[in-house]
Amino acid sequence: SQKIEQNSEALNIQEGKTATLTCNYTNYSPAYLQWYRQDPGRGPVFLLLIRENEKEKRKERLKVTFDTTLKQSLFHITASQPADSATYLCALVFTGGGNKLTFGTGTQLKVEL
Amino acid sequence: DTAVSQTPKYLVTQMGNDKSIKCEQNLGHDTMYWYKQDSKKFLKIMFSYNNKELIINETVPNRFSPKSPDKAHLNLHINSLELGDSAVYFCASSQDWGTGYGNTIYFGEGSWLTVV
Repeated sequence: SQKIEQNSEALNIQEGKTATLTCNYTNYSPAYLQWYRQDPGRGPVFLLLIRENEKEKRKERLKVTFDTTLKQSLFHITASQPADSATYLCALVFTGGGNKLTFGTGTQLKVEL
Repeated sequence: DTAVSQTPKYLVTQMGNDKSIKCEQNLGHDTMYWYKQDSKKFLKIMFSYNNKELIINETVPNRFSPKSPDKAHLNLHINSLELGDSAVYFCASSQDWGTGYGNTIYFGEGSWLTVV
């Protein structure tokens, strides 16, 4: 079965630095990968989508890379701000899986002043 | 205007009771989902409906029964509640089931179910 791993330990960084979160997967190749943000007590909110044939995607201060050889995606937040503090979830749809998202366990990011 | 709304937000109930969570989306989407997030924050799909037709039914006890009266609504009914059912249940929707190009999923705010 598919397994998606994210750093279970919280990531603490200083304001202004770049936060880098990792998402690793095993077994089958995904058709595409998404990143979501979840704040305490709220539902996940979509951030970025990257397809298997794309290496990199950017949106404002966010950047996602996708390495299907390493079976890994990296999620970067540049010039991080305290407001970026949240849990970030990666989610994959595997080929032939329609729109069935399989989520990782999420990484909690805390940006400190 | 809330895109995906679910009620109730909080629900505390005793073991053995039957409860329902209602969900509505005003995005005009064809596909709706129920996800469960456990105490370790792991988010797992339970059901998905596309145009009122059940297309995903993960390994979920048959005490859980989804009902989709129309495309905009997907309710979750749970019979004979157990302690292990305590979790956050998220309703969600997407444009359609997916054409391989990827569809954003829009989540509701969650329903916190506590079984005592």
